[in-house]
Amino acid sequence: NAGVTQTPKFQVLKTGQSMTLQCAQDMNHEYMSWYRQDPGMGLRLIHYSVGAGITDQGEVPNGYNVSRSTTEDFPLRLLSAAPSQTSVYFCASSYQGASGGYTFGSGTRLTVV
Amino acid sequence: GQQVMQIPQYQHVQEGEDFTTYCNSSTTLSNIQWYKQRPGGHPVFLIQLVKSGEVKKQKRLTFQFGEAKKNSSLHITATQTTDVGTYFCAGKKSNTGKLIFGQGTTLQVKP
Repeated sequence: NAGVTQTPKFQVLKTGQSMTLQCAQDMNHEYMSWYRQDPGMGLRLIHYSVGAGITDQGEVPNGYNVSRSTTEDFPLRLLSAAPSQTSVYFCASSYQGASGGYTFGSGTRLTVV
Repeated sequence: GQQVMQIPQYQHVQEGEDFTTYCNSSTTLSNIQWYKQRPGGHPVFLIQLVKSGEVKKQKRLTFQFGEAKKNSSLHITATQTTDVGTYFCAGKKSNTGKLIFGQGTTLQVKP
């Protein structure tokens, strides 16, 4: 049981490049979310999903796309990377319902130069 | 939009002293969750509070949910060096997957 797996762990991009951050969970969780963490700003919600085929915007969705074709996978796409997207990205998942604390992946540290 | 504010941002205590962090939401929450993140690590779920006025304890940690379901607190009694890290509250406005985090309180404990 691997939990929430994020790849890659580290990435350096040039401004304007695109890439996909991968997230997979093997716990059959309905809910999945992407957060970015910047110093002093806490965790800010980018996009979230309540099930396969359903996604919605969070607090800071601009510049990012998501899709949820399966329960297990929730990739985050950066369309045209900007230095402001330098951050640590966390994917998280939980069960639906009142008992649902989120399980976080170990994060992807992204630097855009 | 939904906002969750957390204070203080930083707290330095001597080992054995108590510590409290406070969380306030701009809207009524359906539930509030607390997480701990060790330096260099990822957030780890501690507890969820659902009922108005609820109080839950985990060893030296006491969690409270306000009567109006708009504020919460985490109190640590007699801190230890293992308590070092950043504590986040996170609120859900309704029973959906949208969980909004506060800015976190970073706790340093001097031995």
